Amino acid sequence: GAGVSQSPSNKVTEKGKDVELRCDPISGHTALYWYRQSLGQGLEFLIYFQGNSAPDKSGLPSDRFSAERTGGSVSTLTIQRTQQEDSAVYLCASSLSRLEQETQYFGPGTRLLVL
Amino acid sequence: DQQVKQNSPSLSVQEGRISILNCDYTNSMFDYFLWYKKYPAEGPTFLISISSIKDKNEDGRFTVFLNKSAKHLSLHIVPSQPGDSAVYFCAASASNTGNQFYFGTGTSLTVIP
Repeated sequence: GAGVSQSPSNKVTEKGKDVELRCDPISGHTALYWYRQSLGQGLEFLIYFQGNSAPDKSGLPSDRFSAERTGGSVSTLTIQRTQQEDSAVYLCASSLSRLEQETQYFGPGTRLLVL
Repeated sequence: DQQVKQNSPSLSVQEGRISILNCDYTNSMFDYFLWYKKYPAEGPTFLISISSIKDKNEDGRFTVFLNKSAKHLSLHIVPSQPGDSAVYFCAASASNTGNQFYFGTGTSLTVIP
């Protein structure tokens, strides 16, 4: 399909392990966002990529979290030394641009459970 | 610090009646507001938006009202249909603070046939 895709859809890991979450944005979308939704919480902004500009990392909760976007398309969110409080649904969204507060299109999310 | 709040975690409405979902915010710099709808196991999908220069925006059965003085917005769905049953998130952003969208915790709407 032409929507945002994320993989894996579910991930169970042990505390202390590293995980990588992948996002494939809609083709042609230059803006890409990562969010986290913990149980009972709203969507928490993590990081934003716009074209070739330096990413806005202001939402990353700790230095265990990092993300990259290769070739302006696919993005990977990496969580090192996972903790139980990292358990959440991680959502990726893309939009045509950041101009005019463009509508974001969300992927289905990756459900991460840290045991 | 929750800048966007949805104080009703759930709402049940009879089919055909009006559904009113509420959202409050604290940051007076927010100037763009959106509502998203989310089905289980899917990502949120954009529903309707409103800029702070307006106080109402209508799209079919969906109308969003903005009361800037009260820092309150609401989503009206009329008539409500069973397929509207989902979680609804409101979100807000400020054009002078870059890229962050702030989301509420969501309201789960159930439309009873």
